[in-house]
Amino acid sequence: GGIITQTPKFLIGQEGQKLTLKCQQNFNHDTMYWYRQDSGKGLRLIYYSITENDLQKGDLSEGYDASREKKSSFSLTVTSAQKNEMAVFLCASSRTGGNYAEQFFGPGTRLTVL
Amino acid sequence: QQKVQQSPESLIVPEGAMTSLNCTFSDSASQYFAWYRQHSGKAPKALMSIFSNGEKEEGRFTIHLNKASLHFSLHIRDSQPSDSALYLCAQTSGGNYKPTFGKGTSLVVHP
Repeated sequence: GGIITQTPKFLIGQEGQKLTLKCQQNFNHDTMYWYRQDSGKGLRLIYYSITENDLQKGDLSEGYDASREKKSSFSLTVTSAQKNEMAVFLCASSRTGGNYAEQFFGPGTRLTVL
Repeated sequence: QQKVQQSPESLIVPEGAMTSLNCTFSDSASQYFAWYRQHSGKAPKALMSIFSNGEKEEGRFTIHLNKASLHFSLHIRDSQPSDSALYLCAQTSGGNYKPTFGKGTSLVVHP
């Protein structure tokens, strides 16, 4: 088995601040994802990465940057945090060449912007 | 763009009931399908996945896929309060790294 860890668990920022969220996985999966989930809602894809140093925009990439410098890690940056923005950011990974509908998720980072 | 619609949005059932959750998808080329369960404050966790027409059963959970009718469902037998959660369905076509998730069904099972 493997695990996905996300840091920090809680992130509080100020409006306009640049904030970075980190994700690590030890599944040895090639493909990694960042999603945003608003309270009680479904998942919206922000960025994904097929392999190290690859970045692909999802449906909600505006206002975010991502970085995949190592196979095991995938970072997300909120470029300018918006006031009253509250959401959980979920990192996930998926087996290469398999069923990309089946993903393994980390516990999430809960963001609050004051 | 591929779309996935989940119904109902929310559902309240008594303990012991059979619960049925539904997904319809727009792309007949979709190949891979998965159901997730997400307890409050926790990460989504894949319950079951399927890629061919038919049924798959694991314990109290059964998933059913009908590609011709673009329909994918999850059935929970003998529903328990611990089944109360947000249920998400996802699909993707072969070689497509980007799955499409539904918006979820919120299930409450009351004792």
